Amino acid sequence: QSALTQPASVSGSPGQSITISCTGTSSDVGSYNLVSWYQQHPGKAPKLMIYEGSKRPSGVSNRFSGSKSGNTASLTISGLQAEDESDYYCCSYAGSNTLIFGGGTKLTVL
Amino acid sequence: QVQLVQSGAEVKKPGSSVKVSCKASGGTFSNYGVSWVRQAPGQGLKWMGGIIPIFGTANYAQKFQGRVTVTTDESTSIAYMELSSLRSDDTAVYYCARHWRNSFDFWGQGTLVTVSS
Repeated sequence: QSALTQPASVSGSPGQSITISCTGTSSDVGSYNLVSWYQQHPGKAPKLMIYEGSKRPSGVSNRFSGSKSGNTASLTISGLQAEDESDYYCCSYAGSNTLIFGGGTKLTVL
Repeated sequence: QVQLVQSGAEVKKPGSSVKVSCKASGGTFSNYGVSWVRQAPGQGLKWMGGIIPIFGTANYAQKFQGRVTVTTDESTSIAYMELSSLRSDDTAVYYCARHWRNSFDFWGQGTLVTVSS
């Protein structure tokens, strides 16, 4: 089972919006609205940013939003801030009680 | 506030096994479940397996099937991950994470396992 496909890197200037895509198949992303997104700073554990496709946990800024179309889920960060610079990972339920992560995307705030 | 505290770093020989623990405080796994996720140096996150209560049994990624065992001890709120037949490419940071709403809401601090002869 291959990892979900994410761009290796994205960048944006402070105040701009960026979108990170996460492409799977009809067996995972396409079949379930169960994609979650994680932010991971170097040397730290991941932090949950979005669950069930588009829901934000308590305490996560409303600048973070999630969506899905077909086999592709997306994370959008609006009003980019320097502190958003990090690695981001998507994760999807993949059937048969398994989960699969994306390869990760490095966000650079210019 | 839930905290997951993992056991310390390990150095293992190729072919041996490692068992990593993850203790929950401020909550338990019984109502939520727990998974193990690993991250090799400079690489991404990979789900290895987990126990999800509504499914009742442990489930594993195909890549690790037969080599990994995930268990929980509800009396002590400790989860374990045992990985056998270790190879050099098993060198990684291993994280435990609590399941919540089909995602992972709390994570352990990570345990570095180094496999070297």
